[in-house]
Amino acid sequence: GAVVSQHPSRVICKSGTSVKIECRSLDFQATTMFWYRQFPKQSLMLMATSNEGSKATYEQGVEKDKFLINHASLTLSTLTVTSAHPEDSSFYICSARVLILAGGIYEQYFGPGTRLTVT
Amino acid sequence: QKEVEQNSGPLSVPEGAIASLNCTYSDRGSQSFFWYRQYSGKSPELIMFIYSNGDKEDGRFTAQLNKASQYVSLLIRDSQPSDSATYLCAVIRSRRALTFGSGTRLQVQP
Repeated sequence: GAVVSQHPSRVICKSGTSVKIECRSLDFQATTMFWYRQFPKQSLMLMATSNEGSKATYEQGVEKDKFLINHASLTLSTLTVTSAHPEDSSFYICSARVLILAGGIYEQYFGPGTRLTVT
Repeated sequence: QKEVEQNSGPLSVPEGAIASLNCTYSDRGSQSFFWYRQYSGKSPELIMFIYSNGDKEDGRFTAQLNKASQYVSLLIRDSQPSDSATYLCAVIRSRRALTFGSGTRLQVQP
């Protein structure tokens, strides 16, 4: 299957600082990538849809000014958590899809995730 | 009604048995159907993908799709303790993002 990488895998930062997380599709081009967040013992929550060359689409309740998404190329999307606070501590996972068949049949793969701890 | 429903479990099966995981979805326009496995503290791993009615087999895994009944299932044959994880059912409609069920926790007893 397709490979999605994510960096860093783990980051600890102080409250008030910003953290950038990179997501790369390694062996395919992804016009669309997705960012999820997962709190302990909960399911994945979609934060935003990142489209190459255009603005990201954020889910209801996700602050676009706090979670900045940039999808500057077909293989790279970044999520920047600005002015991080302890409540932003979570597991952030990116995902990219591959078109399998015309008409909207996709496979979707996930990166390994980034565990953010804000102290 | 949730868009994708799964029994949260835990589903407990003995080693070597068949584990059967079920999922129903509400959007009849859903086109692609996925089963992901997620170990604690890890990201989801795609194990099966199906988009046509019927069965699809890959090794010990068989996905079954019935669009008329809006039902997707995953069978795991010869279950191993290493199969113990949370199994997430997810669906896609066209260009939309994946919609996940809440997951079924599988425990394979040695």
